[in-house]
Order: sequence, then C-alpha cells, then structure tokens
Amino acid sequence: EPEVTQTPSHQVTQMGQEVILRCVPISNHLYFYWYRQILGQKVEFLVSFYNNEISEKSEIFDDQFSVERPDGSNFTLKIRSTKLEDSAMYFCASGGVIEDQPQHFGDGTRLSIL
Amino acid sequence: QKEVEQDPGPLSVPEGAIVSLNCTYSNSAFQYFMWYRQYSRKGPELLMYTYSSGNKEDGRFTAQVDKSSKYISLFIRDSQPSDSATYLCAMRYAGNMLTFGGGTRLMVKP
Repeated sequence: EPEVTQTPSHQVTQMGQEVILRCVPISNHLYFYWYRQILGQKVEFLVSFYNNEISEKSEIFDDQFSVERPDGSNFTLKIRSTKLEDSAMYFCASGGVIEDQPQHFGDGTRLSIL
Repeated sequence: QKEVEQDPGPLSVPEGAIVSLNCTYSNSAFQYFMWYRQYSRKGPELLMYTYSSGNKEDGRFTAQVDKSSKYISLFIRDSQPSDSATYLCAMRYAGNMLTFGGGTRLMVKP
C-alpha cells in the first residue's frame, strides 16, 4: 500500500540553527500538509499546500516556517531559526486529487532542539 | 470550550470485548469526520472517514456521527490485543485543516 515517507526519523539541532524536514508524499496525491505534535499534546495543523502554493496556514506557521516542493516527489518544511519550543513530532500528510479526500500521514520526524 | 474533546483514557478491556470510543465537538461547521489509530512512535493511520450523520461500517469498525448532538463514536467489535493503540478523532469543515481530539489510549488485554 502506498505510504508517506519522512526523513530523518529523529533530528537533533542546536537552538538558532536552521532545519529542513523532508517528506515524500503518496505519488499521485496533489494536496500536502504538515502537522506537529508536542509531547503530550494534540496533533496541530501547520500548513496545507496545493498547486505549488500555500492554501491554508495556522497561527503557528509564522515567518520562521516555510514549505517547498522542490521537485516532483519531495515536500519540505524548513524552520529558519529554531527555538526550544519547536521541539515536537512533525508529521507530513498527503491527500488525494480532490480536496475532500482523506489525509494519510507519515510516521513523523522527532525534532529535538537543544 | 475546547473545539474537540476526547476522553484520554486509558481504556482497558479484555480481548473480544466491544469498544466504544467517543468525541464531542463544539463547532457545528464541521462536516467531515475521521478516526485515526496511532501506535507508539508511529504516525496516525486512517481508519474511518465519514461525511454525513449516520453509521459507516468497515470490518470490525463502525463509525457513528450524530451532528445534532455534535458527537461521534467509533465502535470496535471483537477487540484484539493488536488494537491496543491511541485512537484520535479528527474533523474539518471547508478547507483542509484537520482539528484533532487529544486521543484515547486503548489497551486490549489477552
């Protein structure tokens, strides 16, 4: 069964450094998403991406965050200057070819900021 | 009031039991309702996806939506130890953003 793949599984970074989290969505999907889950808290929406642009973003997704689809298969989340509070699990998800189709999640990247 | 509420559990049941998991929500604009299963150190895995009020069945799983009460349920029949996981409800209205409940941890004992 097709799946969403995320790398790395665990990223340790010094505060203030830039980090890029990578995702390979399901191959024929057109809608892409990032969510995060701080330890012990709910899964929270960050951003959705369609047709090479952001379609929706939450208040969490401020200027330090950016997303990109650099080629036909990868989808990345960049955090420019990491803070301690950015430590969380980051999940990538992809949807189908129309907006109403369900979202399928990868296994996440655990980001630890020191 | 939180948008989506879910009893965190843990809920412990014997193997073979019927499990009932529930979420309540406050925003009547929610139109699409999902249940995800999350094993430890894994991502959410989609179990059920429903749009309208009523029941939807898939194998041992039944999802129930009551929009008038703002209440959704997931029933698991003949529960197995492999069903032990955290179950997340999620919902959305127009647009893409999913709003999640906090998850219910289920333990099925052999």
